[in-house]
Amino acid sequence: GQQVMQIPQYQHVQEGEDFTTYCNSSTTLSNIQWYKQRPGGHPVFLIQLVKSGEVKKQKRLTFQFGEAKKNSSLHITATQTTDVGTYFCAGRTGTASKLTFGTGTRLQVTL
Amino acid sequence: DTAVSQTPKYLVTQMGNDKSIKCEQNLGHDTMYWYKQDSKKFLKIMFSYNNKELIINETVPNRFSPKSPDKAHLNLHINSLELGDSAVYFCASSQDWDGTQYFGPGTRLLVL
Repeated sequence: GQQVMQIPQYQHVQEGEDFTTYCNSSTTLSNIQWYKQRPGGHPVFLIQLVKSGEVKKQKRLTFQFGEAKKNSSLHITATQTTDVGTYFCAGRTGTASKLTFGTGTRLQVTL
Repeated sequence: DTAVSQTPKYLVTQMGNDKSIKCEQNLGHDTMYWYKQDSKKFLKIMFSYNNKELIINETVPNRFSPKSPDKAHLNLHINSLELGDSAVYFCASSQDWDGTQYFGPGTRLLVL
């Protein structure tokens, strides 16, 4: 079945450093979504990417969808302690198929 | 005005017991889901309902039975609980198939 892997599993950065998580799917995706889960919380939707090569920005967050639509990345510039949490990508392979969540990347930010 | 709510928030029970988790959404969405998040934070879909009809049924033991009395509710009943069922169970909803999913706060289940 479809697998969606994320690397790294865990990253610890100092506040102000940049952070990137990479998402790789075993199959071509129709679209990809990104979610953030704070410690003890629930996943919260961040963004959806649909087009090959698409890049979207939300303040310090930059999301990219690969040309082959099999990978994606999330880059955070100048991390803050409020960025702490686990970031999940989630991909869909068809127009009406389930969303398969990636393995997640846990980000820890210290002062 | 919580969008997706779940009860209970915490559930501690003995092996072999039967328990239910309830989920309600007030967003007017057509599709609802149950996810299981294990101790390693892996998030896996279990079931999905669209307009009260089961549309996704992953490889889940038949001890787990979802029920959707109406579009706004999706409950999860678990029979003969096992230690491995300990996890956080999230309910979610979306307007349609490929829309944003809104998650509930989760139910932390611990089976002793």
